[in-house]
Amino acid sequence: DSGVTQTPKHLITATGQRVTLRCSPRSGDLSVYWYQQSLDQGLQFLIHYYNGEERAKGNILERFSAQQFPDLHSELNLSSLELGDSALYFCASSPTENTEAFFGQGTRLTVV
Amino acid sequence: EDQVTQSPEALRLQEGESSSLNCSYTVSGLRGLFWYRQDPGKGPEFLFTLYSAGEEKEKERLKATLTKKESFLHITAPKPEDSATYLCAVQYYNNDMRFGAGTRLTVKP
Repeated sequence: DSGVTQTPKHLITATGQRVTLRCSPRSGDLSVYWYQQSLDQGLQFLIHYYNGEERAKGNILERFSAQQFPDLHSELNLSSLELGDSALYFCASSPTENTEAFFGQGTRLTVV
Repeated sequence: EDQVTQSPEALRLQEGESSSLNCSYTVSGLRGLFWYRQDPGKGPEFLFTLYSAGEEKEKERLKATLTKKESFLHITAPKPEDSATYLCAVQYYNNDMRFGAGTRLTVKP
């Protein structure tokens, strides 16, 4: 158990809908990263927050947004969902900005 | 664009047959290089962090090394339980942390 908690574990929703994925980082960790992993793409970096501030943005679609709250938990919002958004979404946390990150078990999103 | 390339894509070894996995990266302000192990359907599990060329880290049958352009993960006398996908990630000074596509390792008894 890495100490990073992601909810829900599984999510099935229809095209066009909006969902929110939640991540609770390890106690004391200030950095949160979000990744998308689909079968043919590997782990794709989406966004990085540090102590509530956005620090880096990767290949995140405009339909996706994220935030990190004062209690350091983070949420990833996915809207106008398409079939191609079906994937595993991982959150990872680390104490600072340039140390190893520890991953949660992921949220498996299925868009039907 | 900064890239992280892992090779080979897949590797099949007999139990006890040592080998190495490669991770090469384009340099554009490297802050750190990380190795992870991922089992199917699970989150990546942290193995090693390397920060500077010449650095080495070791844990059980695994040893990671770093040069200015690449990193190697050496697996000595692997066992079937070492079967997994091994991922390399590079963090740049812009705070991106980007992963390679991974090497899928299978160790046969």
